Amino acid sequence: DQQVKQNSPSLSVQEGRISILNCDYTNSMFDYFLWYKKYPAEGPTFLISISSIKDKNEDGRFTVFLNKSAKHLSLHIVPSQPGDSAVYFCAASSSGAGSYQLTFGKGTKLSVIP
Amino acid sequence: DVKVTQSSRYLVKRTGEKVFLECVQDMDHENMFWYRQDPGLGLRLIYFSYDVKMKEKGDIPEGYSVSREKKERFSLILESASTNQTSMYLCASTPRALYGYTFGSGTRLTVV
Repeated sequence: DQQVKQNSPSLSVQEGRISILNCDYTNSMFDYFLWYKKYPAEGPTFLISISSIKDKNEDGRFTVFLNKSAKHLSLHIVPSQPGDSAVYFCAASSSGAGSYQLTFGKGTKLSVIP
Repeated sequence: DVKVTQSSRYLVKRTGEKVFLECVQDMDHENMFWYRQDPGLGLRLIYFSYDVKMKEKGDIPEGYSVSREKKERFSLILESASTNQTSMYLCASTPRALYGYTFGSGTRLTVV
């Protein structure tokens, strides 16, 4: 039973345009969400996070939006750059028991075309 | 800068061999994790540890074991390597709840 779903395995975007990566979750106990970026042959690196007390968090070109009622979050990258081409993982955790554990989605491969 | 170091970037082992994957973190984190990443399957948790000598099974523990004798070191053991264990293995650590993980660079293991 997948608690964190990234339904798009891949996404292609032109350089300079907006990239929108989506993530849905089913566990209503999740209250902290993160995005990780992974290049081939490297470990994932932390990108941005959001707590459930917010509906938006911004860091430079990256913005994460959270819609708690829809159990949906999205990562916006504006403008997209070729160096953003990577696999993006959505992750979630709860402040309850075992809250140091993250549950990951399967990832979305973003390709930014020059 | 905080670090999680995995001892090997690439490994090739034969079927039936006992394989040790080592992970060391220098951040004094209590919690450490082993994941494997496969195309289309994302990151799947194998084992984790929340303290020295403590271990918990993740989602796919079969065929694996772990050892945590010291706080900074978390080892993944493949008792008898099989070809379906060919994968990218990722170690991670975190200091506390509601905090992101720091990942190592990964070990690409090929079992032939």
